[in-house]
Amino acid sequence: QKEVEQDPGPLSVPEGAIVSLNCTYSNSAFQYFMWYRQYSRKGPELLMYTYSSGNKEDGRFTAQVDKSSKYISLFIRDSQPSDSATYLCATGGTSYGKLTFGQGTILTVHP
Amino acid sequence: SAVISQKPSRDICQRGTSLTIQCQVDSQVTMMFWYRQQPGQSLTLIATANQGSEATYESGFVIDKFPISRPNLTFSTLTVSNMSPEDSSIYLCSETHRGQGTEAFFGQGTRLTVV
Repeated sequence: QKEVEQDPGPLSVPEGAIVSLNCTYSNSAFQYFMWYRQYSRKGPELLMYTYSSGNKEDGRFTAQVDKSSKYISLFIRDSQPSDSATYLCATGGTSYGKLTFGQGTILTVHP
Repeated sequence: SAVISQKPSRDICQRGTSLTIQCQVDSQVTMMFWYRQQPGQSLTLIATANQGSEATYESGFVIDKFPISRPNLTFSTLTVSNMSPEDSSIYLCSETHRGQGTEAFFGQGTRLTVV
């Protein structure tokens, strides 16, 4: 079993839709959680970072963490074609700076 | 976050040869890491680049295959040695600042194709 599981999709939604991306993890030692966006042929770009259960909002993006169920989510409101990318969840905390990534979800937002 | 520059951005190499990838950051970061992203896969940590000492490798990665140097706080190299087509991947440099949160930032990556 992978330490971080993420549905690879692909996920296709119309412009304006609310997108929900999810990951589960198995290691209780993970203390912080991140979401990255990766465009084709680019490096991952940090979108959201959180270390506690609950919600964190930044513009159209909301990251949600539920440590009791080991479940993390990213919600994108009013999705745009420019949001089309691969979204990677990542966890850390077992050793400083080292991250464990999910497989990534390919998202396409069509006009 | 620091600006992270990697080069080359891509290369096509013959099997049996070696390629050295360079990673330069524009500020004195504490931690630098090297990741591999195989086609259609997620990122896997290769090693932590330690300044002035041997890198710390993750399970499944060895120094003979992936020698890493970090002569100072702003520069690191990863060499992919004796390459085979299975080494075709994107190699990514990452940095984080101890004491300023645990966010990790990535370079643009080096896309390696071994033929």
